[in-house]
Amino acid sequence: GAVVSQHPSRVICKSGTSVKIECRSLDFQATTMFWYRQFPKQSLMLMATSNEGSKATYEQGVEKDKFLINHASLTLSTLTVTSAHPEDSSFYICSARDLFRLVNEQFFGPGTRLTVL
Amino acid sequence: SQELEQSPQSLIVQEGKNLTINCTSSKTLYGLYWYKQKYGEGLIFLMMLQKGGEEKSHEKITAKLDEKKQQSSLHITASQPSHAGIYLCGADSGPRGFEGKLTFGQGTILTVHP
Repeated sequence: GAVVSQHPSRVICKSGTSVKIECRSLDFQATTMFWYRQFPKQSLMLMATSNEGSKATYEQGVEKDKFLINHASLTLSTLTVTSAHPEDSSFYICSARDLFRLVNEQFFGPGTRLTVL
Repeated sequence: SQELEQSPQSLIVQEGKNLTINCTSSKTLYGLYWYKQKYGEGLIFLMMLQKGGEEKSHEKITAKLDEKKQQSSLHITASQPSHAGIYLCGADSGPRGFEGKLTFGQGTILTVHP
């Protein structure tokens, strides 16, 4: 199956700082990537859709100015949590779809655990 | 909005036993995904179902989508400790059905005792 990587795997930062998380499709191209958030013992919630070469679309209730998304190439999307606060502490997971596969499979990265002190 | 209900929420079985996890949707399912997650890790893609009545198998795991496309089941035959984890069903919630915007069930925690 296709491989999606995320970096870093975990990050601890002070309140008020910004944190950038990278999502890469390693062996395929993805025009669309998705960012999810998962709180402890809860399921994944879609935050936004990242589109290569255009603006991201955000789900209701997700602040676009706080969670900046950039999809600069067909293999890389970044999520920047700006002015992070303790309530932003969560597990962030990205997913991507293979542009050239006929089946609509969606592959997830290993996730990034963000802890804001 | 689409909601997915998984049952049971948790399951403890003895190694070698068969088990079934169900996923029920409030709306018609256009794309139903099954994933496995170890706590604190990413999701491992298991299977995707699209057509009513469709059934797919991989090793000892079989997933089915009912004819009405509102319920899916995941069946594990002769379970092993390696099957332990959190099983999530996800459905494409985009208006056209295949936009990749997934809504997930709450997950089923599977424990397999050796």
